[in-house]
Amino acid sequence: SQQGEEDPQALSIQEGENATMNCSYKTSINNLQWYRQNSGRGLVHLILIRSNEREKHSGRLRVTLDTSKKSSSLLITASRAADTASYFCATQRAAGNKLTFGGGTRVLVKP
Amino acid sequence: DTEVTQTPKHLVMGMTNKKSLKCEQHMGHRAMYWYKQKAKKPPELMFVYSYEKLSINESVPSRFSPECPNSSLLNLHLHALQPEDSALYLCASSQFQGGSYNEQFFGPGTRLTVL
Repeated sequence: SQQGEEDPQALSIQEGENATMNCSYKTSINNLQWYRQNSGRGLVHLILIRSNEREKHSGRLRVTLDTSKKSSSLLITASRAADTASYFCATQRAAGNKLTFGGGTRVLVKP
Repeated sequence: DTEVTQTPKHLVMGMTNKKSLKCEQHMGHRAMYWYKQKAKKPPELMFVYSYEKLSINESVPSRFSPECPNSSLLNLHLHALQPEDSALYLCASSQFQGGSYNEQFFGPGTRLTVL
């Protein structure tokens, strides 16, 4: 079953604009991760944020985590056509190594 | 070597065939995973191996049989599949560090079509 729900399901922006997507989850977590998937290919890990962290940056990516609201956001700044992909959040609970993925956000960056 | 490899890239099989998917990693990761992904859907966990032992089976039908021959290899044996089993099958691995498994490294997947 899906732990996370993502919003929006699809997003279309112009190159250079920022893209923001949100993820909500239901139970307490150890960490939350964001992955990117280009069409029909494997997933690539982008960033991991632990439950005791509130914000994390990696290059043009900024992730926030609000455990009180059980939600996270991923911001991609100054988007490029190469950022066109599906983005998934995934949560990992305190015990074990299971990741549960959200439904994903399909992002289209138009040149 | 920081990648997970999967073979074959594409597989077409009939419902009476027996085939196997193969996954390999040489990063020393001690957890390996099989996921199934349908079009425009998130990956769904099927199996997890930790230290070569099956630790999670997400109630997957017995026509899917996983095998972990050693710490670098993971196989998924397929038998008597149904057309609805057609999907992208993804393998992943992760390292145990700091008391938990962290990010997962995914292979490119095997696109399976069952006729």
